[in-house]
This record gives sequence, C-alpha cells and structure tokens, in this order.
Amino acid sequence: DAKTTQPTSMDCAEGRAANLPCNHSTISGNEYVYWYRQIHSQGPQYIIHGLKNNETNEMASLIITEDRKSSTLILPHATLRDTAVYYCIASMNRDDKIIFGKGTRLHILP
Amino acid sequence: DTEVTQTPKHLVMGMTNKKSLKCEQHMGHRAMYWYKQKAKKPPELMFVYSYEKLSINESVPSRFSPECPNSSLLNLHLHALQPEDSALYLCASSQGRGSGANEQFFGPGTRLTVL
Repeated sequence: DAKTTQPTSMDCAEGRAANLPCNHSTISGNEYVYWYRQIHSQGPQYIIHGLKNNETNEMASLIITEDRKSSTLILPHATLRDTAVYYCIASMNRDDKIIFGKGTRLHILP
Repeated sequence: DTEVTQTPKHLVMGMTNKKSLKCEQHMGHRAMYWYKQKAKKPPELMFVYSYEKLSINESVPSRFSPECPNSSLLNLHLHALQPEDSALYLCASSQGRGSGANEQFFGPGTRLTVL
C-alpha cells in the first residue's frame, strides 16, 4: 500500500469547515483513499473513501486531485465532537490489510 | 445491526494467566481483524481472518492465539503475556476480499493490563 503523509495536528474553529490534507504521491492506480477517525478512547470509525472522483456522504466530503497524489477531507461544519485523530489510508479495495499512519490530531476550538 | 461488540471492556491479568478476548458482528461480514494499539500510537494490525480462515498473521508472538469459530465470532486467546503487551485491543470486520467495498467497522476495544 502507498505511504501517506499528513500534518501532525490542526486546529479549527467550531462551526467552520475543517479541511484535512493528505499526501499520497506514490499511490497506484488501483488503490483507494480511505479516511477513518478515532475519537479518544474509542475504536476507529470509517468516514469515507474514493478512487478518482470526489465523494460526499452524511459525514464529510473527499476531494481527490486529478493526479491522485493528494486529497482533502472536508468536515463542512465542525463541532466539538469532531475532535479526533484522522487517518488517511491508501489501500487496494479488495485488500484485507490496511496500515494506519500517524494521522492528524484535529482540535475543534469553541 | 451495524455494530461490532467486544468483551470484556477492561481486563487485568497476571503473566501466568490465560484469558480470552471476544468479538462479535452480525453484519454478515466475511473478514475479521485484530489490532493492537498502544497509547498515542496508531492501531497495528495483528491478524486477519477471511472467510473463517487465517489469512494474515503479522508476525505476532505465539502467546497471542486467534480463533474464528464461525463467521460472526472472533476470539483472541492470551497466555503468558508480558507487561509490554498492555494495550487497547481492537476488533474490526469488513465485507471481505472480492466485495465492492472494504471499509472496516471497529469495536470499542478491550483495554488490557498485564501485571
């Protein structure tokens, strides 16, 4: 699986959009970009995934650059409950194995 | 039911004890996983079961022994653990290889302390 690079930590004001970047410059054509988050003392939670096109669900939007070398997870209206560690993972969709990197610690500020 | 359950929530054991962690899902998923997570570190994959067969063992010491009695249940048997094995043990499940999507659903974890 391709290695991903994320900022160690980010702050975002409550009510604003949180934009979390991820670099995956060595991603291969059959690897998807997955995002998970882990709220303190809980198990990780799946957020969204995509291959080439931008994706949106009830939790977030995923914007993937045309060259697929980077992506951005967008939480449109961040709340205090969105404070968590966010993991960006590049993985083949049919592969059972995912490798978590260090992730981004997102702090939502009141 | 979109939940992965894990029991117990907390476990304290001595180095000579034998204990088991249990995980259950009723989503019809065919892949199940064990992860280990130390404080302030990301989860580390330990084992993967695919269609009830062990498909990945990430060079885990033999004092950890996984078992998949059926497609809904996953156990992790613990024996002769060391204090450094103290961690949060996470179970997850997914539809499995060959399906269209492979997002993993995680349980809340078992916090293990080895004395």
